[in-house]
Amino acid sequence: NAGVMQNPRHLVRRRGQEARLRCSPMKGHSHVYWYRQLPEEGLKFMVYLQKENIIDESGMPKERFSAEFPKEGPSILRIQQVVRGDSAAYFCASSPHRGRDEKLFFGSGTQLSVL
Amino acid sequence: TQLLEQSPQFLSIQEGENLTVYCNSSSVFSSLQWYRQEPGEGPVLLVTVVTGGEVKKLKRLTFQFGDARKDSSLHITAAQPGDTGLYLCAGYNQAGTALIFGKGTTLSVSS
Repeated sequence: NAGVMQNPRHLVRRRGQEARLRCSPMKGHSHVYWYRQLPEEGLKFMVYLQKENIIDESGMPKERFSAEFPKEGPSILRIQQVVRGDSAAYFCASSPHRGRDEKLFFGSGTQLSVL
Repeated sequence: TQLLEQSPQFLSIQEGENLTVYCNSSSVFSSLQWYRQEPGEGPVLLVTVVTGGEVKKLKRLTFQFGDARKDSSLHITAAQPGDTGLYLCAGYNQAGTALIFGKGTTLSVSS
């Protein structure tokens, strides 16, 4: 019973390149959340998606960042024209339902380093 | 904006000691969740507290939800090196679309 799978675990990009982070939720989970974590800032909510729909993107920067969760395949967090400030750990989480008491199951994260 | 403030930010103790970490907000939450995160891994849920005044125990860990549902605490009895990690509290925003986390308490237990 596989958990939330994220890949790659480590991603190195040069400034100006694109970064694509992938997340396969747990089997049966149709709700996906993306978070960014920096040591001094904690775990920051970015976006919440349900199959084919963005439900809440209030934590996502308006430019360069986008997320999708297609009908088939993993959820993708895409960062265009990366800058050094994008370096962080990005975590994906999933849940089977939506609700205020729902617990989230997290992946092991992707550590993005921008040179 | 709903914010969760956690204290202390860092805690370094000896094996066998007791400790309490706090999670406070000026906002009311329908429930609060506690997660533990180890280096290089994602957070893992420890417990969810739902009812004001509720106390939940998980072996040596005791979680309490404030009567007004604005705060929570985590008490660890006789801490062990295996308790080392980042402890995070979290609650959903009003719309129920985003689980908001506090900045966490980094606990280090040495033998």
